[in-house]
Amino acid sequence: QLQLQESGPGLVKPSETLSLTCIVSGGSISSNIYYWAWIRQSPGKGLEWIGSIKSSGSTNYNPSLKRRGTISVDTSKNQVSLRVTSATAADTGVYYCARHEGGAYYFYPMDVWGQGTTVTVSS
Amino acid sequence: EIVLTQSPGTLSLSPGERATLSCRASLSVNDNHLAWYQQKPGQAPRLLIYGASTRATGIPDRFSGSGSGTDFTLTISRLEPEDFAVYYCQQYGYLFLTFGQGTKLEIK
Repeated sequence: QLQLQESGPGLVKPSETLSLTCIVSGGSISSNIYYWAWIRQSPGKGLEWIGSIKSSGSTNYNPSLKRRGTISVDTSKNQVSLRVTSATAADTGVYYCARHEGGAYYFYPMDVWGQGTTVTVSS
Repeated sequence: EIVLTQSPGTLSLSPGERATLSCRASLSVNDNHLAWYQQKPGQAPRLLIYGASTRATGIPDRFSGSGSGTDFTLTISRLEPEDFAVYYCQQYGYLFLTFGQGTKLEIK
């Protein structure tokens, strides 16, 4: 059974870089049909898609991060990573990684999610 | 960018009742690529419905989805105690994913 496990520092100082990792177990991250996404949920708010990556390294991002976000994949470790630079309090929230399929012109919904990891941006 | 607006914000019902949740898109959703998720406190979202009306694996048949274009509905025919949660719609019709702001279904 495929499982996703997010991890990272729970506390990040403003202006620093937020770095998270998602380890995929029970399956290979190298499948060509799947994307690996990061989604965040700010306190008391809804869900926001950050971006998605394929094992080939192809990425799609939500412009709302204004180019502060970078998603990368390490197939040798079966993991996906997220970096958000110049963190502010607005980046506080629960960060999820999730799997979804994708075609040439559209994505599919997320069918497997990690449990999420909480990040607080504060001095 | 397609903006999804869910209504109502909060829905108060009793177990056994029927729940009807709405999701309206600012633009037509390509090929009805609209999904519904359920999220309980402290848990990740769970996929319920995709393609506007297809139940995901293991989802009870009391959950149903309908709609097309810009207007979509999630119906729970007879509410069970475990159904009280927050529900989100999501469009995935482009290489860009957006979620609605959610509807909280609470026990009356």
